Amino acid sequence: GQNIDQPTEMTATEGAIVQINCTYQTSGFNGLFWYQQHAGEAPTFLSYNVLDGLEEKGRFSSFLSRSKGYSYLLLKELQMKDSASYLCAVKDSNYQLIWGAGTKLIIKP
Amino acid sequence: IAGITQAPTSQILAAGRRMTLRCTQDMRHNAMYWYRQDLGLGLRLIHYSNTAGTTGKGEVPDGYSVSRANTDDFPLTLASAVPSQTSVYFCASSDSAGAGNEQFFGPGTRLTVL
Repeated sequence: GQNIDQPTEMTATEGAIVQINCTYQTSGFNGLFWYQQHAGEAPTFLSYNVLDGLEEKGRFSSFLSRSKGYSYLLLKELQMKDSASYLCAVKDSNYQLIWGAGTKLIIKP
Repeated sequence: IAGITQAPTSQILAAGRRMTLRCTQDMRHNAMYWYRQDLGLGLRLIHYSNTAGTTGKGEVPDGYSVSRANTDDFPLTLASAVPSQTSVYFCASSDSAGAGNEQFFGPGTRLTVL
C-alpha cells in the first residue's frame, strides 16, 4: 500500500531552526509537496521537489532524496506565526496526491 | 476575488438526508478535487475531475457523487448522509493534474451528521 509517515507533533523555540521529516512509500513518484495548514484553515502550498536536493525559499527549505524515499522541511528563524500543521504529500503514478497525517508544530517563546 | 469558494461554511445534517456541498473556482483551472480531512488522518481524496465533463473516483468515493458540467463548478453530493461522513470537506483545484501543479484549496465545509 501507499504510505506517508511524518511525526505527529514537534515543539520548537521562537528564533530557532526545526526540521520536519517525511518518509514515503508510494506507487510511482511524480513529486513531493509540502503544505502549511493553520488550525481551522485550508492548506496552503509551501514547496515542491521532484529532483534530489535542496530547494530554498526564504526561511523555508525542502530537501528530497528519491532513493531513500525521504524529504524534510527546514524552517529557520522560527516565528510564532509558524505554529501550524505541516503536511507532506506525494504525487503518485496516477498523478494523485497521497497525504501524510501532518506534523503539528508548536512554537514556544 | 480570485480563488475557490465553498458553501456552506458549516452544516449539521440529520442522517439519511441528502446534501450538496458547493465549490466554485474562478482561476480557470482544469482539475478539481474533493477531499475529506479527519483528525489523525491525512487528507483523503473522494472524487476528482481532470477536466470539465469528466470525473473519477478517489480513495474514499462510497456514499458520494460529483458532477463537472463546466470549468468553474464541482459540487459534491451525499445521497443519504451517515454519521461516518462527519468531517471537514475541502475542495481544491490545479491548473492541470500534471506533476508539478500545486493544488489551491477552498476554505472548507465542516459537516456534522447526527
